[in-house]
Amino acid sequence: GQNIDQPTEMTATEGAIVQINCTYQTSGFNGLFWYQQHAGEAPTFLSYNVLDGLEEKGRFSSFLSRSKGYSYLLLKELQMKDSASYLCAASGAGSYQLTFGKGTKLSVIP
Amino acid sequence: DGGITQSPKYLFRKEGQNVTLSCEQNLNHDAMYWYRQDPGQGLRLIYYSQIVNDFQKGDIAEGYSVSREKKESFPLTVTSAQKNPTAFYLCASRGQGIAYEQYFGPGTRLTVT
Repeated sequence: GQNIDQPTEMTATEGAIVQINCTYQTSGFNGLFWYQQHAGEAPTFLSYNVLDGLEEKGRFSSFLSRSKGYSYLLLKELQMKDSASYLCAASGAGSYQLTFGKGTKLSVIP
Repeated sequence: DGGITQSPKYLFRKEGQNVTLSCEQNLNHDAMYWYRQDPGQGLRLIYYSQIVNDFQKGDIAEGYSVSREKKESFPLTVTSAQKNPTAFYLCASRGQGIAYEQYFGPGTRLTVT
């Protein structure tokens, strides 16, 4: 089976840095995706990791450790518009399916 | 512009009625997916299709049906057998290759009373 765990809620201050963690257990592994979802809207793709290490994209970075079944999403220079849910999703071996975590609701406060 | 469209955005039905949610994509993607999202829950896979005329059940297929007669279209029918149909329904598609992300449509919020 597949299991994805991430914190339910987090709060951070505008301008700060926040790290959202995700642990996963999958039958085989073909990559880890992060999505952003604003309330009532569709998820939008943020990042994909399949190899260990850090991938940086502007203010957002994502890290993966395959041996630990662990990933995090790092958001720098937080802005109010970053208030959203962040979904971690893992792709299993030989599969085009994604298993999603329940999402982390991030609230950015002034 | 390429993308995925879902219609309508809001849908209201009486209990006991079947309802069909549309999903169309012009991204030339082979794979398409239907998810359901409830408050405080992640996305749960209902059905998916990797090629035309073929589809597989996801984790929560009971009470739902789909068809894939055209590459561009993957409609979802919520039947009266679905015990708790009120939810936010998201359709997605993806291109070939493991590294390709899924693109999501804007979603349909279904309310059944």
